[in-house]
Amino acid sequence: GQQLNQSPQSMFIQEGEDVSMNCTSSSIFNTWLWYKQDPGEGPVLLIALYKAGELTSNGRLTAQFGITRKDSFLNISASIPSDVGIYFCAGQLGDYKLSFGAGTTVTVRA
Amino acid sequence: DAGVIQSPRHEVTEMGQEVTLRCKPISGHDYLFWYRQTMMRGLELLIYFNNNVPIDDSGMPEDRFSAKMPNASFSTLKIQPSEPRDSAVYFCASSPQGAEAFFGQGTRLTVV
Repeated sequence: GQQLNQSPQSMFIQEGEDVSMNCTSSSIFNTWLWYKQDPGEGPVLLIALYKAGELTSNGRLTAQFGITRKDSFLNISASIPSDVGIYFCAGQLGDYKLSFGAGTTVTVRA
Repeated sequence: DAGVIQSPRHEVTEMGQEVTLRCKPISGHDYLFWYRQTMMRGLELLIYFNNNVPIDDSGMPEDRFSAKMPNASFSTLKIQPSEPRDSAVYFCASSPQGAEAFFGQGTRLTVV
Protein backbone atom coordinates (compact mmCIF):
# COMPACT_ATOMS: atom_id res chain seq x y z
CA GLY A 1 0.00 0.00 0.00
CA GLN A 2 0.91 3.67 -0.06
CA GLN A 3 3.51 4.78 2.46
CA LEU A 4 2.57 7.43 5.00
CA ASN A 5 5.21 9.41 6.85
CA GLN A 6 4.02 10.48 10.24
CA SER A 7 5.91 12.96 12.41
CA PRO A 8 7.09 13.40 14.99
CA GLN A 9 7.68 9.80 15.97
CA SER A 10 7.22 10.74 19.62
CA MET A 11 6.58 13.79 21.71
CA PHE A 12 6.33 14.83 25.31
CA ILE A 13 3.51 17.01 26.48
CA GLN A 14 2.96 19.15 29.50
CA GLU A 15 -0.57 19.63 30.69
CA GLY A 16 -2.07 22.69 29.08
CA GLU A 17 0.20 22.70 26.04
CA ASP A 18 -0.98 22.64 22.44
CA VAL A 19 0.53 19.83 20.38
CA SER A 20 0.63 19.17 16.67
CA MET A 21 1.48 16.19 14.49
CA ASN A 22 1.27 15.57 10.78
CA CYS A 23 1.22 12.98 8.09
CA THR A 24 2.49 13.16 4.53
CA SER A 25 2.30 10.84 1.57
CA SER A 26 3.72 10.65 -1.91
CA SER A 27 0.27 9.57 -3.09
CA ILE A 28 -3.04 11.38 -2.94
CA PHE A 29 -5.90 10.18 -0.78
CA ASN A 30 -9.66 10.73 -0.88
CA THR A 31 -10.07 10.37 2.87
CA TRP A 32 -7.84 11.05 5.86
CA LEU A 33 -8.57 9.58 9.27
CA TRP A 34 -6.98 10.10 12.66
CA TYR A 35 -7.04 7.39 15.33
CA LYS A 36 -5.81 7.15 18.93
CA GLN A 37 -4.69 3.88 20.49
CA ASP A 38 -4.33 3.29 24.22
CA PRO A 39 -2.21 0.40 25.56
CA GLY A 40 -3.96 -2.93 25.16
CA GLU A 41 -6.83 -1.45 23.17
CA GLY A 42 -7.77 -1.07 19.54
CA PRO A 43 -7.46 2.21 17.64
CA VAL A 44 -10.35 4.61 18.24
CA LEU A 45 -11.47 6.94 15.47
CA LEU A 46 -11.02 10.61 16.37
CA ILE A 47 -11.69 12.57 13.19
CA ALA A 48 -12.51 11.75 9.55
CA LEU A 49 -11.79 14.17 6.68
CA TYR A 50 -13.36 13.78 3.25
CA LYS A 51 -12.52 16.90 1.25
CA ALA A 52 -9.29 18.66 0.33
CA GLY A 53 -8.92 21.76 2.51
CA GLU A 54 -11.47 20.54 5.04
CA LEU A 55 -10.87 21.62 8.62
CA THR A 56 -12.75 19.63 11.25
CA SER A 57 -12.87 19.83 15.04
CA ASN A 58 -13.84 17.32 17.67
CA GLY A 59 -13.64 18.96 21.08
CA ARG A 60 -10.01 19.94 21.66
CA LEU A 61 -8.92 18.16 18.50
CA THR A 62 -8.63 19.84 15.12
CA ALA A 63 -7.56 18.17 11.91
CA GLN A 64 -7.12 19.38 8.34
CA PHE A 65 -7.08 17.63 4.98
CA GLY A 66 -4.28 19.21 2.95
CA ILE A 67 -5.08 20.99 -0.30
CA THR A 68 -2.75 18.71 -2.25
CA ARG A 69 -4.55 15.66 -0.77
CA LYS A 70 -1.14 14.34 0.22
CA ASP A 71 -1.03 15.51 3.81
CA SER A 72 -2.98 16.08 6.98
CA PHE A 73 -2.33 17.46 10.44
CA LEU A 74 -3.84 16.95 13.86
CA ASN A 75 -3.74 19.54 16.63
CA ILE A 76 -4.58 18.94 20.28
CA SER A 77 -5.25 22.08 22.26
CA ALA A 78 -4.80 22.45 26.02
CA SER A 79 -3.53 18.89 26.45
CA ILE A 80 -4.56 16.85 29.48
CA PRO A 81 -2.97 13.67 30.92
CA SER A 82 -5.45 11.36 29.20
CA ASP A 83 -4.21 12.59 25.81
CA VAL A 84 -1.24 10.25 26.15
CA GLY A 85 -1.27 7.36 23.71
CA ILE A 86 -0.34 6.59 20.13
CA TYR A 87 -1.93 8.65 17.38
CA PHE A 88 -2.21 7.18 13.91
CA CYS A 89 -3.06 8.83 10.64
CA ALA A 90 -4.65 6.73 7.91
CA GLY A 91 -5.33 7.46 4.28
CA GLN A 92 -7.85 5.88 1.96
CA LEU A 93 -7.92 6.11 -1.81
CA GLY A 94 -11.30 4.63 -2.61
CA ASP A 95 -11.00 0.89 -2.43
CA TYR A 96 -11.75 0.96 1.31
CA LYS A 97 -8.22 -0.09 2.21
CA LEU A 98 -6.65 2.11 4.84
CA SER A 99 -2.90 2.79 4.81
CA PHE A 100 -1.66 3.66 8.29
CA GLY A 101 1.23 5.80 9.43
CA ALA A 102 3.71 4.45 11.96
CA GLY A 103 2.18 6.51 14.75
CA THR A 104 3.11 9.38 17.03
CA THR A 105 3.63 8.38 20.65
CA VAL A 106 2.53 11.09 23.08
CA THR A 107 3.76 10.88 26.65
CA VAL A 108 3.62 13.20 29.62
CA ARG A 109 6.76 15.18 30.38
CA ALA A 110 7.99 14.36 33.84
CA ASP B 1 -23.99 -0.69 20.80
CA ALA B 2 -21.35 -3.07 22.10
CA GLY B 3 -18.87 -2.25 19.37
CA VAL B 4 -16.74 -4.79 17.54
CA ILE B 5 -16.23 -7.86 19.71
CA GLN B 6 -13.19 -10.07 19.32
CA SER B 7 -12.29 -13.31 21.03
CA PRO B 8 -10.14 -14.46 22.57
CA ARG B 9 -8.31 -11.37 23.90
CA HIS B 10 -5.14 -13.38 24.36
CA GLU B 11 -3.99 -16.62 22.79
CA VAL B 12 -0.82 -18.53 23.44
CA THR B 13 -0.20 -21.56 21.28
CA GLU B 14 2.58 -23.85 20.22
CA MET B 15 4.14 -23.70 16.80
CA GLY B 16 2.29 -25.92 14.36
CA GLN B 17 -1.06 -25.64 16.08
CA GLU B 18 -4.17 -24.23 14.45
CA VAL B 19 -5.38 -20.88 15.74
CA THR B 20 -8.83 -19.39 15.16
CA LEU B 21 -9.63 -15.78 15.93
CA ARG B 22 -13.22 -14.61 16.07
CA CYS B 23 -14.99 -11.36 15.38
CA LYS B 24 -18.51 -10.00 15.73
CA PRO B 25 -18.86 -6.73 13.81
CA ILE B 26 -21.15 -3.86 14.70
CA SER B 27 -24.68 -4.66 13.60
CA GLY B 28 -25.57 -3.02 10.30
CA HIS B 29 -21.99 -2.54 9.16
CA ASP B 30 -21.46 -3.92 5.67
CA TYR B 31 -17.66 -3.95 5.71
CA LEU B 32 -15.40 -6.09 7.86
CA PHE B 33 -11.62 -5.83 7.97
CA TRP B 34 -8.87 -7.95 9.54
CA TYR B 35 -5.65 -6.12 10.46
CA ARG B 36 -2.39 -7.25 12.03
CA GLN B 37 -0.25 -4.98 14.19
CA THR B 38 3.44 -5.55 14.92
CA MET B 39 6.22 -3.29 16.09
CA MET B 40 8.15 -3.80 12.90
CA ARG B 41 5.38 -3.37 10.34
CA GLY B 42 2.70 -1.37 12.16
CA LEU B 43 -0.92 -1.89 11.17
CA GLU B 44 -1.38 -3.98 8.04
CA LEU B 45 -4.63 -4.87 6.32
CA LEU B 46 -4.92 -8.62 5.78
CA ILE B 47 -8.33 -8.97 4.15
CA TYR B 48 -11.67 -7.23 3.94
CA PHE B 49 -15.25 -8.30 3.26
CA ASN B 50 -18.24 -6.46 1.86
CA ASN B 51 -21.63 -7.99 2.60
CA ASN B 52 -19.90 -11.20 3.73
CA VAL B 53 -17.98 -11.55 0.46
CA PRO B 54 -14.16 -11.37 0.51
CA ILE B 55 -13.14 -8.43 -1.68
CA ASP B 56 -9.39 -8.14 -1.27
CA ASP B 57 -7.14 -10.70 0.40
CA SER B 58 -3.88 -9.42 -1.07
CA GLY B 59 -2.60 -8.67 2.43
CA MET B 60 -2.90 -12.25 3.64
CA PRO B 61 0.72 -13.25 4.16
CA GLU B 62 0.57 -16.91 3.18
CA ASP B 63 -1.70 -19.82 2.44
CA ARG B 64 -1.51 -20.67 6.11
CA PHE B 65 -3.90 -17.77 6.70
CA SER B 66 -7.58 -17.99 5.80
CA ALA B 67 -10.62 -15.90 6.68
CA LYS B 68 -14.32 -16.55 6.44
CA MET B 69 -17.50 -14.61 7.00
CA PRO B 70 -20.40 -17.09 7.03
CA ASN B 71 -22.93 -14.42 7.97
CA ALA B 72 -23.22 -10.70 8.67
CA SER B 73 -22.52 -11.08 12.38
CA PHE B 74 -19.50 -13.36 12.46
CA SER B 75 -16.06 -13.73 10.93
CA THR B 76 -13.03 -15.91 11.64
CA LEU B 77 -9.35 -15.64 10.86
CA LYS B 78 -7.55 -18.98 10.93
CA ILE B 79 -3.85 -19.71 10.92
CA GLN B 80 -2.84 -23.29 10.23
CA PRO B 81 -0.14 -24.21 11.03
CA SER B 82 0.93 -21.31 13.22
CA GLU B 83 4.55 -20.11 13.38
CA PRO B 84 6.38 -17.87 15.88
CA ARG B 85 6.55 -15.04 13.32
CA ASP B 86 2.74 -14.91 13.36
CA SER B 87 2.90 -13.48 16.87
CA ALA B 88 1.15 -10.10 16.73
CA VAL B 89 -2.03 -8.31 17.72
CA TYR B 90 -4.84 -9.07 15.30
CA PHE B 91 -7.64 -6.55 14.98
CA CYS B 92 -11.05 -6.86 13.44
CA ALA B 93 -12.78 -3.66 12.34
CA SER B 94 -16.14 -2.92 10.76
CA SER B 95 -17.53 0.00 8.82
CA PRO B 96 -20.95 1.09 7.61
CA GLN B 97 -19.64 2.47 4.34
CA GLY B 98 -16.03 1.38 4.07
CA ALA B 99 -14.38 4.66 5.02
CA GLU B 100 -14.57 4.98 8.83
CA ALA B 101 -13.43 1.74 10.39
CA PHE B 102 -14.29 0.92 14.02
CA PHE B 103 -11.84 -1.43 15.67
CA GLY B 104 -12.26 -4.18 18.22
CA GLN B 105 -9.95 -4.56 21.20
CA GLY B 106 -7.77 -7.05 19.37
CA THR B 107 -6.44 -10.55 20.00
CA ARG B 108 -2.85 -10.76 21.18
CA LEU B 109 -1.42 -13.93 19.66
CA THR B 110 1.78 -15.49 20.90
CA VAL B 111 3.15 -18.53 19.10
CA VAL B 112 5.92 -20.31 21.01
